[in-house]
Amino acid sequence: GAVVSQHPSWVICKSGTSVKIECRSLDFQATTMFWYRQFPKQSLMLMATSNEGSKATYEQGVEKDKFLINHASLTLSTLTVTSAHPEDSSFYICSATSGLAGGAFADEQFFGPGTRLTVL
Amino acid sequence: ILNVEQSPQSLHVQEGDSTNFTCSFPSSNFYALHWYRWETAKSPEALFVMTLNGDEKKKGRISATLNTKEGYSYLYIKGSQPEDSATYLCAFISSGNTGKLIFGQGTTLQVKP
Repeated sequence: GAVVSQHPSWVICKSGTSVKIECRSLDFQATTMFWYRQFPKQSLMLMATSNEGSKATYEQGVEKDKFLINHASLTLSTLTVTSAHPEDSSFYICSATSGLAGGAFADEQFFGPGTRLTVL
Repeated sequence: ILNVEQSPQSLHVQEGDSTNFTCSFPSSNFYALHWYRWETAKSPEALFVMTLNGDEKKKGRISATLNTKEGYSYLYIKGSQPEDSATYLCAFISSGNTGKLIFGQGTTLQVKP
């Protein structure tokens, strides 16, 4: 149980185009989903937190107009990288929690396998 | 800025060796520490969620300890097997912001048959 899928697993796009990445919880309802990115040789860094039906909360330094997050249902969150540029090339990974252990944050986060984005 | 450090960065051991890695985190405002195992091309898999000072958790040949007062956690693998090869991540949660996992850079373990 507790499987999270992510699609696509890799994408190559031209500079200036937009790319949408989907994150799905397959066998549980995800009240909260998180989006991270990882640059080479660096840690996973939280970009934003989204709760179903409400606006995402972005971390400092992450442009909300560039990285659009939609969490329209309890099983799906999407991240759209708008007008992508080469510096947006990175590994993007989502996670989800059901918040059942009495708190959404000490609870385990279940991760997707990630999406490798390359912007030419 | 909250800093989470893992050491060593990478480790090569022979099958059957026991090994351990360290995760260092801020000793103040502790809320929880997570350990994950991340195999290439797969999803990170949660190993342990640790919340109490002195916690010791075990899953098969893998165990972890927690010292919140001095700000470190150890992950031990007894009798390493090739299938243990992966990157092991720790993530700290501060009581000041329980909505955020702060990850270390990971320790990459390679177990040679």
